[in-house]
Amino acid sequence: QVQLVESGGGVVQPGRSLRLSCAASGFTFSSHAMFWVRQAPGKGLEWVALTSYDGTDKFYADSVKGRFTISRDNSKNTLSLQMNNVRPDDTAVYYCTRDGPLAAVGDYWGRGALVTVSS
Amino acid sequence: ENVLTQSPGTLSLSPGERATLSCRASQSVRNNYLAWYQKKPGQTPRLVIYVASSRPAGIPDRFSGSGSGTDFTLTISRLEPEDFAVYYCHQYSDSPRTFGQGTKVEFK
Repeated sequence: QVQLVESGGGVVQPGRSLRLSCAASGFTFSSHAMFWVRQAPGKGLEWVALTSYDGTDKFYADSVKGRFTISRDNSKNTLSLQMNNVRPDDTAVYYCTRDGPLAAVGDYWGRGALVTVSS
Repeated sequence: ENVLTQSPGTLSLSPGERATLSCRASQSVRNNYLAWYQKKPGQTPRLVIYVASSRPAGIPDRFSGSGSGTDFTLTISRLEPEDFAVYYCHQYSDSPRTFGQGTKVEFK
C-alpha cells in the first residue's frame, strides 16, 4: 500500500535552516511528481513546492521562492525540502503528497511534520 | 498566479441537508484540473473530487463535482455526520498551484 512518511520537523530559530524528508513506499516513486503542502496553525492549506517525476522541473510558491529547495532521490524513494532562512510565518505542519495516476492529484498524503520557527 | 475564491466561508447545515460549495478562479483552469479536499482537525487532507468531477475509489456518491473554466461546485447531496469538515478547492493546471481559502461545513 502507498505510504508517505515525513521526518525532520522540529523547532528552529528564525534565519536558520531545516531539512524535511519524505520516505515513499508502495508505489513506483520515480513515475510520480511529488509536492509539499503546509498548514499553519488555524490557517488553510498552502501549496509550497513541486518536483517533476525525474527532478528536472521544480516550482515554488512565491512565499518560499529563493529560500526553500525541493529535491528527490529516486534511487532512495525520498523527497526532500531544504528550508533556509526560515521565518516565523513558516511555522506549519508540512505534508508530502503526490500527483496520482490519471490526474488524481494528492491521492495519498503523509501524516505531516510540524515545523516551529521560534527564538 | 491563479487565485481561487471559495464561498461561502461557513455553511451551517443539518445532517440530511444538501451542501453546495463554490470555487471561483481568477483565470481559467485548463483541462478542468480542479480538485476538492476534505480536511478535519488532526487528520490529513482527503481527496474527494479531481478533474472537477471525478470521484476517487472509496468516496461516497453523495459527493459530486461540476463546473469548468473559472466556476466550480462541490455538492454533498445528503450530509452525513462525518462530512462536517473544511473543504478546499485546488487548481493544478498552472504553477504555482494554489488552494482556495476553504469552506467550513458546520452543524447548524
